[in-house]
Amino acid sequence: SQWGEENLQALSIQEGEDVTMNCSYKTYTTVVQWYRQKSGKGPALIILIRSNEREKRSGRLRATLDTSSQSSSLSITGTLATDTAVYFCATGASSGQKLVFGQGTILKVYL
Amino acid sequence: EAAVTQSPRSKVAVTGGKVTLSCHQTNNHDYMYWYRQDTGHGLRLIHYSYVADSTEKGDIPDGYKASRPSQENFSLILELASLSQTAVYFCASSDAWAEDTQYFGPGTRLLVL
Repeated sequence: SQWGEENLQALSIQEGEDVTMNCSYKTYTTVVQWYRQKSGKGPALIILIRSNEREKRSGRLRATLDTSSQSSSLSITGTLATDTAVYFCATGASSGQKLVFGQGTILKVYL
Repeated sequence: EAAVTQSPRSKVAVTGGKVTLSCHQTNNHDYMYWYRQDTGHGLRLIHYSYVADSTEKGDIPDGYKASRPSQENFSLILELASLSQTAVYFCASSDAWAEDTQYFGPGTRLLVL
């Protein structure tokens, strides 16, 4: 089984709409990190949520973590064209398992 | 200032040739990583290192070697480049292992002909 497994999907929405991306994982994790990768750039962390948190907010971003269902979500409210990117979830655990990246969600926000 | 830099940013190599990708970090991090990303796919770990002069195999190490001569520098070496190694390669660094944020470089686009 794979850590940080995320169904590869592509979303195309209009600017101003809200969007939610999901991530499921199959093994024990103590942290879920969400990264954003813009075209031609390396991934960059946008929000991190730990297993003792159910929800984390940062500006227009909201991450949730449900350890019972082994899933996490990332929501972006009031999307902007500049939110166009690939979004990855990555899961890890303090027990020593490496950080594992999901396949990513391609988000395109059009004007 | 960019904390993780990679060179070259792009490279065209011939099949069977030797390719060396370099990474430099100024984060003072112990951990460094090499990933490859293929079009439409996520990141796959090739090699990593947690201390100078030592490297570890990741998930897809075949056909790749790594070198960590100092805390700041981490290289990925393709001794005999193959067509299947055409991809974008990312270097990253982190302060700790599994839970810590990874800081990525801008990537190296490698085309093997």
